[in-house]
Amino acid sequence: DAMVIQNPRYQVTQFGKPVTLSCSQTLNHNVMYWYQQKSSQAPKLLFHYYDKDFNNEADTPDNFQSRRPNTSFCFLDIRSPGLGDAAMYLCATSRQGGRYNEQFFGPGTRLTVL
Amino acid sequence: AQKVTQAQTEISVVEKEDVTLDCVYETRDTTYYLFWYKQPPSGELVFLIRRNSFDEQNEISGRYSWNFQKSTSSFNFTITASQVVDSAVYFCALSATGNQFYFGTGTSLTVIP
Repeated sequence: DAMVIQNPRYQVTQFGKPVTLSCSQTLNHNVMYWYQQKSSQAPKLLFHYYDKDFNNEADTPDNFQSRRPNTSFCFLDIRSPGLGDAAMYLCATSRQGGRYNEQFFGPGTRLTVL
Repeated sequence: AQKVTQAQTEISVVEKEDVTLDCVYETRDTTYYLFWYKQPPSGELVFLIRRNSFDEQNEISGRYSWNFQKSTSSFNFTITASQVVDSAVYFCALSATGNQFYFGTGTSLTVIP
């Protein structure tokens, strides 16, 4: 089945220790998104790639970076995680970037910062 | 500005009851899309429905139905004869200018057997 895969599902890191979250997709979609979702809150868009074009949200901290080496994979790098970065991180894809395109989500990676 | 409000934070119903989840949105765009997603405890958001701003027809899919009213800027979701498997957090989302999704804060539905 075509899907969005996130690894790992649970990630524990230490304060200030860099961490990388992974997302892959078999849908061959052009757009990939990273969201941060804190407990009992709505998902918050961090950035997205339209093909190779990177689009950063204005309020995304510099601490968060992303890479998309090819169509299938996208990575979220947190350079120096703080306690406030503990959250669920959701990866999503859409066929195109238009407003009409539904987004398909992965199961998320829950990040704990000790 | 784009905004989605889901005023109901938590709802509990007994199995087989009907339940309506409210969604109110704000946008100045004339062309926009509204979505509902389900987030079960496993964490993955599951797409349920998309509705464009020019189509106010209500839609029914099995036990699910959606009522879109532009006059009140609402896009409500009703589950008929609720089941325990319906227990989840439900998000309403708006996509307009800039193609970004604006999510509401979600409604946590618990269906009690």
